[in-house]
Amino acid sequence: DVKVTQSSRYLVKRTGEKVFLECVQDMDHENMFWYRQDPGLGLRLIYFSYDVKMKEKGDIPEGYSVSREKKERFSLILESASTNQTSMYLCASAPGDKGKLFFGSGTQLSVL
Amino acid sequence: EDQVTQSPEALRLQEGESSSLNCSYTVSGLRGLFWYRQDPGKGPEFLFTLYSAGEEKEKERLKATLTKKESFLHITAPKPEDSATYLCAVQPWGGGADGLTFGKGTHLIIQP
Repeated sequence: DVKVTQSSRYLVKRTGEKVFLECVQDMDHENMFWYRQDPGLGLRLIYFSYDVKMKEKGDIPEGYSVSREKKERFSLILESASTNQTSMYLCASAPGDKGKLFFGSGTQLSVL
Repeated sequence: EDQVTQSPEALRLQEGESSSLNCSYTVSGLRGLFWYRQDPGKGPEFLFTLYSAGEEKEKERLKATLTKKESFLHITAPKPEDSATYLCAVQPWGGGADGLTFGKGTHLIIQP
C-alpha cells in the first residue's frame, strides 16, 4: 500500500514560533507538494518540489519555506507563525507526470 | 487561467436516491481530469482519472463521465458511507508548477 505520512495530526503553536511540518512518502515519487485547505477556499498550493534540493513556489508561498534534502522527505517551514496560518496542511506526492496525487492525512495547525 | 467550478456546493440525499455532481472546467488543453474523495479530517483519496471526452470510469456506486466542458460524478443508490466531500481537479498540458487546479468540492450527505 502506498503511503504519505505526515508527522503530526494536530499541532498548536504560538504566534512568532518557528514551525516544522514533516512529510515522508514511500513510493519513490519525484514530485512532492504542500497544500493548505481552508473552508470556502479549497486546496491552495504553497510549494512544490520535483527533485531533491529543488523547489518551486506555488500560489501562496509567502510566510513559508520548504526543504527537500532526501527524495522521500519534504518539510514545510513556517518561519514565524501567524494566526492567519491556522489551517489544515496537506502533503502529497506524485509520479513523473504529476497527475495523480497521493495525499497524507493532513496536519491541523492552530496558531494562537 | 484554468478554472474549475463544482456544483452544487452541498447535497443531501436519502439512502438509495441517485444523483449527479457537476464539475465544469475551463482549461487551455486538458491533459487529465481527476476526481477525489475526502472524508472529514483526512486527506483526499484518488478515485478516477479521465483523459478524453466520452470516457467513463466506474467504481462501485460511482461513475465518472467527461465531456469537453464538464465532468459528472454519478452516484447510484448511495449508502451513508458515500458521505464525503468530492473534489474535481484538472491537469492542463504543459501547465504550471503542479499542473493541477482544484475545485472547491461538493459536500455530499447521505441520510439513512
